[in-house]
Amino acid sequence: EADIYQTPRYLVIGTGKKITLECSQTMGHDKMYWYQQDPGMELHLIHYSYGVNSTEKGDLSSESTVSRIRTEHFPLTLESARPSHTSQYLCASSEPRGRDTQYFGPGTRLTVL
Amino acid sequence: AQSVTQLDSHVSVSEGTPVLLRCNYSSSYSPSLFWYVQHPNKGLQLLLKYTSAATLVKGINGFEAEFKKSETSFHLTKPSAHMSDAAEYFCVVRDYNNNDMRFGAGTRLTVKP
Repeated sequence: EADIYQTPRYLVIGTGKKITLECSQTMGHDKMYWYQQDPGMELHLIHYSYGVNSTEKGDLSSESTVSRIRTEHFPLTLESARPSHTSQYLCASSEPRGRDTQYFGPGTRLTVL
Repeated sequence: AQSVTQLDSHVSVSEGTPVLLRCNYSSSYSPSLFWYVQHPNKGLQLLLKYTSAATLVKGINGFEAEFKKSETSFHLTKPSAHMSDAAEYFCVVRDYNNNDMRFGAGTRLTVKP
């Protein structure tokens, strides 16, 4: 079982609130990712990081931001949540070599009212 | 750029009968291919992966997949379905030259008693 954790697992909040979704891994992986998944749809990469102080935008444009101050921690922040942000957010990590597997956290299901 | 197509959004089988989940991919280079499973309210779990070794790959829980380059396919099979196999399954492709992973839209497997 991979050691990657996400909190909270579920979140229901009102419009306009600032929220941070936490993701931590204890495997010492350099590369980390955030994906967004709507029900019945494929995953879309929204952010990734090659290591500390590295953040990159993914394929799907997102109003969220990320930071990578520590190797094990990759939080995602929405400054002002809107109903269009309602989705499942999945965090993953992998070692930086070419063919390594990504390990996923359990996900955060976000609902913005 | 690589892409992946899961040919069925929903597959329904009876317990004890074979499972076939279809996946076709396109890739500019030698791909790595993965199958992930997501049970309700759980994170993604790796079932199996192909990385240019044997073309028939065995995974966990009795699943296997065969890489067929001539057909650009990587279908997932299991000889006998179990009720606990009911979940959503994602086919994933990654090009040799980068670490980005493209996910299919997913196939929801239902197992009837």
